[in-house]
Amino acid sequence: DAKTTQPPSMDCAEGRAANLPCNHSTISGNEYVYWYRQIHSQGPQYIIHGLKNNETNEMASLIITEDRKSSTLILPHATLRDTAVYYCIVRAERSGAGSYQLTFGKGTKLSVIP
Amino acid sequence: DVKVTQSSRYLVKRTGEKVFLECVQDMDHENMFWYRQDPGLGLRLIYFSYDVKMKEKGDIPEGYSVSREKKERFSLILESASTNQTSMYLCASSKAGGSETQYFGPGTRLLVL
Repeated sequence: DAKTTQPPSMDCAEGRAANLPCNHSTISGNEYVYWYRQIHSQGPQYIIHGLKNNETNEMASLIITEDRKSSTLILPHATLRDTAVYYCIVRAERSGAGSYQLTFGKGTKLSVIP
Repeated sequence: DVKVTQSSRYLVKRTGEKVFLECVQDMDHENMFWYRQDPGLGLRLIYFSYDVKMKEKGDIPEGYSVSREKKERFSLILESASTNQTSMYLCASSKAGGSETQYFGPGTRLLVL
């Protein structure tokens, strides 16, 4: 499985854009980059995923570099409710069963400050 | 809207008890998963199921079993709870296939005394 590296923590002022980086230099050509977040004592929440192209949805934007060795999750207008641990994940596909396992690293603890 | 529910948010059991954790999804998903999450160890897959009555072991199946009698319900069973099974248990579901997004439930925090 490709490994990911994220900074352990980041601060962001409320209302500003939060840019969360992730390195995945060993990613394979058919592996997706996924982002989840986990608010304290809750289950992980899916945010966005992508393969090569940049992606945007109602929650965030995902920018993937051309060489796919790194990506950035952008929360355009951070609110206090965005305070959470953010996980960057590269999907590992299990053989034989049409499903896949997610491997969460330590993530980035984002603190949104008033 | 995506919905995965778990039977309990918090549970306290004694060593040796049989423990049932229930998970229900209303999205008609084929795949369902059980993970545990511990500080410093991240998320670890216990078991998953890709169809009714079908199951596969994850990375840490020892001490656990699962049951999937209906498509929407996936149960995790601790046959004889031990203190090292104190953890946060997370259920997830996804559509069939290897590239589908997994959606998680709120989690069950289990304490085994």
